[in-house]
Amino acid sequence: DSGVTQTPKHLITATGQRVTLRCSPRSGDLSVYWYQQSLDQGLQFLIQYYNGEERAKGNILERFSAQQFPDLHSELNLSSLELGDSALYFCASSGEPPLLTFGAGSRLTVL
Amino acid sequence: GQNIDQPTEMTATEGAIVQINCTYQTSGFNGLFWYQQHAGEAPTFLSYNVLDGLEEKGRFSSFLSRSKGYSYLLLKELQMKDSASYLCAVRDQAGTALIFGKGTTLSVSS
Repeated sequence: DSGVTQTPKHLITATGQRVTLRCSPRSGDLSVYWYQQSLDQGLQFLIQYYNGEERAKGNILERFSAQQFPDLHSELNLSSLELGDSALYFCASSGEPPLLTFGAGSRLTVL
Repeated sequence: GQNIDQPTEMTATEGAIVQINCTYQTSGFNGLFWYQQHAGEAPTFLSYNVLDGLEEKGRFSSFLSRSKGYSYLLLKELQMKDSASYLCAVRDQAGTALIFGKGTTLSVSS
């Protein structure tokens, strides 16, 4: 157990729908990162939050949004889902030193 | 922008030594990381280099040359359980996210 908790583990939904993925970071970690991993693209950085504020943005689509709450948990919202959004979504957290620790991931299947 | 290259696949035999290379181009540099990922599982941290040279950690070692934009991960005394994907990642500035290469899938056979 890495200490980073992600829910749900698996999610199956239809095109056009909206889903929310949740992440609780390791105790004491202030930074949360979201990554998408599909078979052909590898681990793609989506977005980073630090203590509730957006810190950096990667290849995140406009249909996707995220936030980090005062208790430091984070949610990634994916809307108007397309078949190509099917992937593993990982959350990671870091403190000091800034080494990323990953959660077990949420596997999203869009049918 | 950033560009990270590593071989797609490698094969090796149990007990052997394998070296996985990684080259990178980034606008800044604040560390190179290696992660191991078994299929369908989370990446797990292996090693971290921020200065030139070799970092040794048991059967695994990682080397960095910042002037050449080059790193390698050396795995000794290979075991079947080392069959996994090995991800090279760089951080271009302090406090920002890691950018990952596409990973090298290592298959260890007996």
